[in-house]
Amino acid sequence: ETGVTQSPTHLIKTRGQQVTLRCSSQSGHNTVSWYQQALGQGPQFIFQYYREEENGRGNFPPRFSGLQFPNYSSELNVNALELDDSALYLCASSEDRASRETQYFGPGTRLLVL
Amino acid sequence: SQKIEQNSEALNIQEGKTATLTCNYTNYSPAYLQWYRQDPGRGPVFLLLIRENEKEKRKERLKVTFDTTLKQSLFHITASQPADSATYLCALDKGFLNTGFQKLVFGTGTRLLVSP
Repeated sequence: ETGVTQSPTHLIKTRGQQVTLRCSSQSGHNTVSWYQQALGQGPQFIFQYYREEENGRGNFPPRFSGLQFPNYSSELNVNALELDDSALYLCASSEDRASRETQYFGPGTRLLVL
Repeated sequence: SQKIEQNSEALNIQEGKTATLTCNYTNYSPAYLQWYRQDPGRGPVFLLLIRENEKEKRKERLKVTFDTTLKQSLFHITASQPADSATYLCALDKGFLNTGFQKLVFGTGTRLLVSP
């Protein structure tokens, strides 16, 4: 186990709704990255937070937003859900924002949008 | 366009043999390449990182090579066991100019099945 936890484990929403996913980083890690993994695909980078600020963003629309809190836990918010948002959402924490730092992934939240 | 390609077909091998997985990339110049293992319904687990100036890296039964000329990494598992059955992902770093920020870009993964 990596020490990274995510909640909830599974979620079902309908199109147009909003969702908040939560992540608790491994102790001592100040960086969290969020990924979307569609079935049969590799994880796709959504964004990264470093010391409570967004540090970089992938090709995702603004309806994907996030927060990082002083204790380095994090949230991913998705507004106006679409069917294509159905995926496994992973958060990964690391000791620093450099990509060479090992990413410790949580177990993910499986989101189904109907 | 930039691509990271891993064999999408599952690799089936017998226990005790060496499994070799391939990661090819185009239009990237990564400084690092990482390999992860992912079991069904779980998050990826970091295995190995290799730098652009390293040709080979080993960890127990695992070996990774990195050829920046061929733009290819090979991932080997020697003396494979049924417990090695999983999906293996390669990931490259991608930098953003003038920001110092780098992110990981993942391939689609290759499923390895080791039969007894």
